[in-house]
Amino acid sequence: AQKITQTQPGMFVQEKEAVTLDCTYDTSDPSYGLFWYKQPSSGEMIFLIYQGSYDQQNATEGRYSLNFQKARKSANLVISASQLGDSAMYFCAGRGGGNKLTFGTGTQLKVEL
Amino acid sequence: DAGVTQSPTHLIKTRGQQVTLRCSPISGHKSVSWYQQVLGQGPQFIFQYYEKEERGRGNFPDRFSARQFPNYSSELNVNALLLGDSALYLCASSSLLGISNYGYTFGSGTRLTVV
Repeated sequence: AQKITQTQPGMFVQEKEAVTLDCTYDTSDPSYGLFWYKQPSSGEMIFLIYQGSYDQQNATEGRYSLNFQKARKSANLVISASQLGDSAMYFCAGRGGGNKLTFGTGTQLKVEL
Repeated sequence: DAGVTQSPTHLIKTRGQQVTLRCSPISGHKSVSWYQQVLGQGPQFIFQYYEKEERGRGNFPDRFSARQFPNYSSELNVNALLLGDSALYLCASSSLLGISNYGYTFGSGTRLTVV
């Protein structure tokens, strides 16, 4: 079984600043993947970034990057140059055995002027 | 191209009733998965269907059932509704049986309220 833990229920960041959202995972599967999704108030889950367990480098997608530390079992999302439109719920999710995603409880991010 | 479409967007049901939620995947996608997201929680896996066959089931009671049609659209049925079934039900589609490095594409969900 896989477990995803997000310990920050809410985060605030000022516009144009960087913010780090924490995610730790626990899995016995040596081949796993970690995803970050953004969920605005409309409800749709929007894919942001993916990190595979065998990837040698940290993933980056535009203003999103993953700080992947296997020894600590953490896959933190870093959002650079925050924008007001980044205000949303953010979920870390793991792909383990089978074809399902296991999600954490999410972090509510609010970007302030 | 249309994304994943779900209907209805909102509905209110009474305890004990039955409900059917519908999902149309992205054109060409053969896999549909259903997730339940209770307020304040992350989504929980309910079912996956691929090529009209059930390929995965989460830890949900038998009151929950689903099916996939020849055009790959899907229905999720919930019988004997309980207050605890109130949630956002998300549908996710994929062209693969497995999860690609781009994850699933999700719809905007159906918000079910049981009173």
